Amino acid sequence: EVQLVESGGGLVQPGRSLKLSCLASGFTFSNYGMNWIRQAPGKGLEWVASISSSSSYIYYADTVKGRFTISRDNAKNTLYLQMTSLRSEDTALYYCARLITTVVGDYFDYWGQGVMVTVSS
Amino acid sequence: DIQMTQSPSLLSASVGDRVTLNCKASQNIYKNLAWYQQKLGEAPKLLIYNANSLQTGIPSRFSGSGSGTDFTLTISSLQPEDVATYFCQQYYSGYTFGAGTKLELK
Repeated sequence: EVQLVESGGGLVQPGRSLKLSCLASGFTFSNYGMNWIRQAPGKGLEWVASISSSSSYIYYADTVKGRFTISRDNAKNTLYLQMTSLRSEDTALYYCARLITTVVGDYFDYWGQGVMVTVSS
Repeated sequence: DIQMTQSPSLLSASVGDRVTLNCKASQNIYKNLAWYQQKLGEAPKLLIYNANSLQTGIPSRFSGSGSGTDFTLTISSLQPEDVATYFCQQYYSGYTFGAGTKLELK
């Protein structure tokens, strides 16, 4: 059974940093691209960052570029999101999601339960 | 950026009803569209990918159609457990989501 379990969230002051983790199990982690997607309270979903299976390709949303860093450790089956210079608008539930590649395009087939990040003084 | 517009934002229907949810892309995305179901307090669940392909394990009462800019998710016979918010998402250029349709029982 595919499982993605996020951790590392919490309350942080504006301008500070936080690192999220996502532990994967039930599949060969090193074969899949992974993503972070967030959902602000009462809002829709926003893609945040993407990393390919071997970390060769990394992409960010413009809203987090230069502040967030996505990375992975395939030996530990873990995805990370280092968040710096946090702002109130980064307050959201952060999901990790597995990426599936097809001839048509790539989409997210499994999502974790999410971890809450609250940026407030 | 490609914008995704879902309608209606709120839909009330009765058990057994045929329900149709709509999603419109701001430009041609061919068939690069997925539908997700999100129940309260849960992670999104993939229902449909590539506009009309049913994800493994999803009941056959769910179906997707469309291509280009206009897409539809249909539930052929609404069940109580289908109460949720439904999001569409394009993956033709980057990844963007619609604002969602909240489906409730009448």
